Amino acid sequence: KNQVEQSPQSLIILEGKNCTLQCNYTVSPFSNLRWYKQDTGRGPVSLTIMTFSENTKSNGRYTATLDADTKQSSLHITASQLSDSASYICVVSDQTGANNLFFGTGTRLTVIP
Amino acid sequence: KAGVTQTPRYLIKTRGQQVTLSCSPISGHRSVSWYQQTPGQGLQFLFEYFSETQRNKGNFPGRFSGRQFSNSRSEMNVSTLELGDSALYLCASSPVGTGYRNEQFFGPGTRLTVL
Repeated sequence: KNQVEQSPQSLIILEGKNCTLQCNYTVSPFSNLRWYKQDTGRGPVSLTIMTFSENTKSNGRYTATLDADTKQSSLHITASQLSDSASYICVVSDQTGANNLFFGTGTRLTVIP
Repeated sequence: KAGVTQTPRYLIKTRGQQVTLSCSPISGHRSVSWYQQTPGQGLQFLFEYFSETQRNKGNFPGRFSGRQFSNSRSEMNVSTLELGDSALYLCASSPVGTGYRNEQFFGPGTRLTVL
């Protein structure tokens, strides 16, 4: 069964600290993996998209890694800011055709001063 | 370029009623997907429309339907509302769909509350 699991479910960190969010998936055949940031009451915004051949992708203070062999991805946030407080959603797409997207339930990150 | 717009942003209905939500994709985008988001279930795929045709459908009852117009604008309809339909409904557009590297751009969502 194709699944995407994220951990932790929620996380509280101090402003300025780093953190890492995890995403494990069983989706096969794998096409790409995306990380989204969703602020409360808003739609998700794409942070990174990675394919099988990419193992690192950065977007400012956000760095995503992908290990396609172990089917694991992580999102590392450096020098966190209050504006990083949001839900981070991992989405995996398979190769079987249109819109076979599998969503994680997200990690809720709270950055406190 | 204007982003994805959804109307209305907030809606309150009672059980048994029906509701229609609207989504205007980014200019030039031909694919529109709809999602339901609830705290317990996360994002769940409803359906995708491409060039006025439903291309894919999630696992939702027939009370949930949609359509797409020639200008790519899309509407989603929910009939005979139930309390469990209370959720944030998100629309996402992309140029040709959700395949390889085809990024989806989400709208702000419509918050539906069923009383």
